[in-house]
Amino acid sequence: QKEVEQDPGPLSVPEGAIVSLNCTYSNSAFQYFMWYRQYSRKGPELLMYTYSSGNKEDGRFTAQVDKSSKYISLFIRDSQPSDSATYLCAMNRPSQGNLIFGKGTKLSVKP
Amino acid sequence: DSGVTQTPKHLITATGQRVTLRCSPRSGDLSVYWYQQSLDQGLQFLIQYYNGEERAKGNILERFSAQQFPDLHSELNLSSLELGDSALYFCASSVGSGYTDTQYFGPGTRLTVL
Repeated sequence: QKEVEQDPGPLSVPEGAIVSLNCTYSNSAFQYFMWYRQYSRKGPELLMYTYSSGNKEDGRFTAQVDKSSKYISLFIRDSQPSDSATYLCAMNRPSQGNLIFGKGTKLSVKP
Repeated sequence: DSGVTQTPKHLITATGQRVTLRCSPRSGDLSVYWYQQSLDQGLQFLIQYYNGEERAKGNILERFSAQQFPDLHSELNLSSLELGDSALYFCASSVGSGYTDTQYFGPGTRLTVL
């Protein structure tokens, strides 16, 4: 079993839809959770991060962590064509600097 | 633009050859990470350097090696290349080596081994 599992999609939604992206993980030592966005032919860029269980909101994006279920989510409200990208969840634990990534979910938002 | 630069953008080479990928971190960043991204494995950590010293190793093959120079740029050397080494190689940098330090990724080097 991989440490981090993420459905690769692809996921196609109409403009304005609410998008839900999810990852599950197996290592309860993970304490820091991130979502990266990767446009085609570009490097990943950090979208959001959170340390604790609960929700964190930033504009149209909400990151949610449920440590008891080992489950993290990213919600995108009012999705736009410019949100079309691959979304990667990532996480790590104290004393570990490198990130463990999910495989990424490819999202396409149709106008 | 993340401020991390990687050269070259593309590399096409043959099996058995050796290549060097170069990374310049953001100004002020002391840590450099190397990751490999392939379709089947996703983004996988290879190795981390902090201020010139190796800090952590991931799934890096013995045929691969890296170093970080006094000016903090880093090079990843891949030798005895195999078809399966074809992938995107990303470098990331961060200010420190802590687990909450944001990692900024470069644009990557696309390696094709024929």
